[in-house]
Amino acid sequence: GQNIDQPTEMTATEGAIVQINCTYQTSGFNGLFWYQQHAGEAPTFLSYNVLDGLEEKGRFSSFLSRSKGYSYLLLKELQMKDSASYLCAVSGSPLSGGYNKLIFGAGTRLAVHP
Amino acid sequence: EADIYQTPRYLVIGTGKKITLECSQTMGHDKMYWYQQDPGMELHLIHYSYGVNSTEKGDLSSESTVSRIRTEHFPLTLESARPSHTSQYLCASSEYNALAASTDTQYFGPGTRLTVL
Repeated sequence: GQNIDQPTEMTATEGAIVQINCTYQTSGFNGLFWYQQHAGEAPTFLSYNVLDGLEEKGRFSSFLSRSKGYSYLLLKELQMKDSASYLCAVSGSPLSGGYNKLIFGAGTRLAVHP
Repeated sequence: EADIYQTPRYLVIGTGKKITLECSQTMGHDKMYWYQQDPGMELHLIHYSYGVNSTEKGDLSSESTVSRIRTEHFPLTLESARPSHTSQYLCASSEYNALAASTDTQYFGPGTRLTVL
């Protein structure tokens, strides 16, 4: 089967660091995406990992371990505007037409408090 | 980043009505998708298209239909809406991303929140 697990909710304090974990079991793997989704808005692309290791992009970093089926998103210097849902998505088995479908987790709702 | 638009943003209708959710993108992306998302739940792919006149059903069974007559336009239609269709519908498009060498990056529209009474 195909499964993506991430915590349902997390809370953190403004200025702090938070790590959102994601574990996956999929029938294929062509990379892992993180998206941010504010309430009532569209998911927006944050990061992509296809090789093991850490990818850093400003205050956000994403890590991947393919052997462990594990990723995390690290948010530093948290701001109030970072309060949102963070979606982990794995690019897995190919669809017809030669491209891969995204399998989404349910998202982690992060609340940042003053 | 893609410019992708959905209308309407919110729709409340009665059971049995026919509705069309509009999705347009201005970036010339070949691939487009429709997802369904209930509150606090994961996105489920219901339709996708890899080009004009090509459409396929996704993972989640849906009574909706789609068409792709023009590259930029990918409307979704429900012939007879029911309360079980109440959900958020997200449209996305994708292009090859040099950073994502083996897969596309999908960009999402703002969504349509549909309520069927």
